[in-house]
Amino acid sequence: DARVTQTPRHKVTEMGQEVTMRCQPILGHNTVFWYRQTMMQGLELLAYFRNRAPLDDSGMPKDRFSAEMPDATLATLKIQPSEPRDSAVYFCASGFDPVGELFFGEGSRLTVL
Amino acid sequence: AQTVTQSQPEMSVQEAETVTLSCTYDTSESDYYLFWYKQPPSRQMILVIRQEAYKQQNATENRFSVNFQKAAKSFSLKISDSQLGDAAMYFCAYRSSGGADGLTFGKGTHLIIQP
Repeated sequence: DARVTQTPRHKVTEMGQEVTMRCQPILGHNTVFWYRQTMMQGLELLAYFRNRAPLDDSGMPKDRFSAEMPDATLATLKIQPSEPRDSAVYFCASGFDPVGELFFGEGSRLTVL
Repeated sequence: AQTVTQSQPEMSVQEAETVTLSCTYDTSESDYYLFWYKQPPSRQMILVIRQEAYKQQNATENRFSVNFQKAAKSFSLKISDSQLGDAAMYFCAYRSSGGADGLTFGKGTHLIIQP
């Protein structure tokens, strides 16, 4: 049963620490997305890759966030330094364009104290 | 930029009855995809149903169906014979067919099923 795998599921850290979230997309998918979910803002798109190339990261705070895809089986989202306002659930999703449907991982819940 | 609006923050329905969740969107494009995703307390985002804008026929998946009104830019979800397992947040989402960007989500509707 193919699925998107995200680690860690939960992370509690202190302000100023570096946080790295990882995602393994579904094999064969050519797009990967990072979303952030908060009660106030809902689901926000942070970054988007197609064939491992970054297409859009306009939703991401560039000074502290970075997203990469070192290979087809791994996408990473890094926050350095983390701040309390970064507390949220971070979702990774993958899909195969141009079908349009995205499959989501279970999310990483980040708490920054 | 596209926007998706879900005007019902919360809906409640009796088990076995039918409920309709509303969604409207704003776009200048003629070809696009629309989706409904379900997010239960486990927080997993699960695709419920999908509609291609070029198709006139409304999509149906078992107890779930949509009423797609392209001219009105409306995309409502009907759940028939509601079950306790249907309780969740439901998100309407839009994606352009060109794939230049990801899904744009509405704020969600919290669906409560009364036993």
